[in-house]
Amino acid sequence: DAGVIQSPRHEVTEMGQEVTLRCKPISGHDYLFWYRQTMMRGLELLIYFNNNVPIDDSGMPEDRFSAKMPNASFSTLKIQPSEPRDSAVYFCASSLGGVRGPGTQYFGPGTRLLVL
Amino acid sequence: SQQGEEDPQALSIQEGENATMNCSYKTSINNLQWYRQNSGRGLVHLILIRSNEREKHSGRLRVTLDTSKKSSSLLITASRAADTASYFCATSLTGANNLFFGTGTRLTVIP
Repeated sequence: DAGVIQSPRHEVTEMGQEVTLRCKPISGHDYLFWYRQTMMRGLELLIYFNNNVPIDDSGMPEDRFSAKMPNASFSTLKIQPSEPRDSAVYFCASSLGGVRGPGTQYFGPGTRLLVL
Repeated sequence: SQQGEEDPQALSIQEGENATMNCSYKTSINNLQWYRQNSGRGLVHLILIRSNEREKHSGRLRVTLDTSKKSSSLLITASRAADTASYFCATSLTGANNLFFGTGTRLTVIP
């Protein structure tokens, strides 16, 4: 398996523009997570899905952020409109859940977003 | 917040020395995991220890868990320059499948 795939790897955009980040989880994994990492706040969980259904989106900073998972092999994180403070590295991760608790999370390489 | 806190924030050692990182958390957990992140990369899972386990080994890694003190430690023995990275602990609450990541320890191993 190729692991978790994210695109684009780098994105530079201007304030006010719409940004769409994409993620393909590992085949067979039933959990998908979106994280944001900055020097100031560290690694923050934004939202996670189980079997394509959003379970907890309490980490989504505001209404400008939205995430979808239309099928088991694809998810998007959208920021509209983008602001400079959204600049960060955004990671997608997937895992196989279980009754004994969360298993290993496999992270993608991340999307480095810079909003000017 | 359930988020764990690693200590120290940064650690610099000579190659061949052992490195010890600690993680403290606040509430009861299901399991605790350690991850590594090389600069500019995603996190990579190292080891998972369940709440009913006290110690676990994987190669040069040794993890301990003390649920009474709500703390865990990661020991890397005979460190190598390639071990230079940030190390994060992550905790899960009983019944949940998401993880709460700590703030990380930045380890530098000097050749």
